[in-house]
Amino acid sequence: AQTVTQSQPEMSVQEAETVTLSCTYDTSESDYYLFWYKQPPSRQMILVIRQEAYKQQNATENRFSVNFQKAAKSFSLKISDSQLGDAAMYFCAYRTNNAGNMLTFGGGTRLMVKP
Amino acid sequence: DAGVIQSPRHEVTEMGQEVTLRCKPISGHDYLFWYRQTMMRGLELLIYFNNNVPIDDSGMPEDRFSAKMPNASFSTLKIQPSEPRDSAVYFCASSLSRQGYGANVLTFGAGSRLTVL
Repeated sequence: AQTVTQSQPEMSVQEAETVTLSCTYDTSESDYYLFWYKQPPSRQMILVIRQEAYKQQNATENRFSVNFQKAAKSFSLKISDSQLGDAAMYFCAYRTNNAGNMLTFGGGTRLMVKP
Repeated sequence: DAGVIQSPRHEVTEMGQEVTLRCKPISGHDYLFWYRQTMMRGLELLIYFNNNVPIDDSGMPEDRFSAKMPNASFSTLKIQPSEPRDSAVYFCASSLSRQGYGANVLTFGAGSRLTVL
């Protein structure tokens, strides 16, 4: 079974600074997808960014980018120019192509942004 | 599109009562998922459907939980009888399996917070 591990329960960043959230996963598959979801206090799960394992290029979405290291099974999220609205829980998630579209989530990292 | 619609947003009930949570997926999506979120266990997949057919219910905690999807636009998650340990936020999500950038991405509803006293 696939597992997703987020080793940082909490992180803190100063507004306008850069922060990196870590995620590792365990799988024997070669074809899969990785995601980062954001959950603000409203508890709505919002997709931040996705990465296809077959793509070598790291995904970017505005201030959000990932560092995907397939051999190391690592998928970190970098948030640049942090804003107060970035404060939330962040979940890393894994999906294999062989099990429908179900996601396996990590335990989450709570990000605090200091003004 | 209005997104994935869940109701109720909040439910407070007493132990032993029946609870029914409802979900309307995004029109055209062929997968529907029920997740449960607790502080202790994080986000757990309970069950998922493909084209209204249950595919994997191995995450359903016990026989007190049941889920149905009578048509492509509606699903329910029922707990009978409810217990205090069922208190959690229950999320419904849907996705589309066809090709394209938006495919295979789960879109979540706002969740239903259940409190069982």
